[in-house]
Amino acid sequence: NAGVMQNPRHLVRRRGQEARLRCSPMKGHSHVYWYRQLPEEGLKFMVYLQKENIIDESGMPKERFSAEFPKEGPSILRIQQVVRGDSAAYFCASSPGGGSGANVLTFGAGSRLTVL
Amino acid sequence: AQSVAQPEDQVNVAEGNPLTVKCTYSVSGNPYLFWYVQYPNRGLQFLLKYITGDNLVKGSYGFEAEFNKSQTSFHLKKPSALVSDSALYFCAFRYGNNRLAFGKGNQVVVIP
Repeated sequence: NAGVMQNPRHLVRRRGQEARLRCSPMKGHSHVYWYRQLPEEGLKFMVYLQKENIIDESGMPKERFSAEFPKEGPSILRIQQVVRGDSAAYFCASSPGGGSGANVLTFGAGSRLTVL
Repeated sequence: AQSVAQPEDQVNVAEGNPLTVKCTYSVSGNPYLFWYVQYPNRGLQFLLKYITGDNLVKGSYGFEAEFNKSQTSFHLKKPSALVSDSALYFCAFRYGNNRLAFGKGNQVVVIP
């Protein structure tokens, strides 16, 4: 079981470019969550998705950020026109279902975005 | 607003001594509480959770945590710390539809 796979592990972008971060959930998991970790801070929830459906995007900035989890393929977190403040570690987690309170989120190793 | 608090920034402990990482919660209803650990340049790893039942929860790598409703605490403990336990520890609670909200984290440094 390969776990939650995120790529790229490290991404460098210049201001104004686009960043795309990918996440493949654990086998058998149909729910994906994206979190952002800024330096010296804890993890902040961004978005929660099921296949082809955004369940909760209350933590996503209203502009420039979007996420999807298509029927086929990985979940994608897309950041358009990146700014230096977007530099952070972006973690993806997955779970087998969202309804049970006992479900444990399994995290990937993260994607570290650096904006020059 | 609901939250968990981890009051200490860094916890220093000598190898072999007991390790405690503190967490207090302000969560309505019956809280679902979690501890995760993060090693350098790695993702978070699940340690243990409290949902209901026995207040003493045992988890991975010899860690345990005690749910204390009267003190609204969920402190993480290990009887004898190892140098390899040096990491960042996060307390979290579940809210809404299976989302987790994390505390700011505690850096644990185990001194050989």
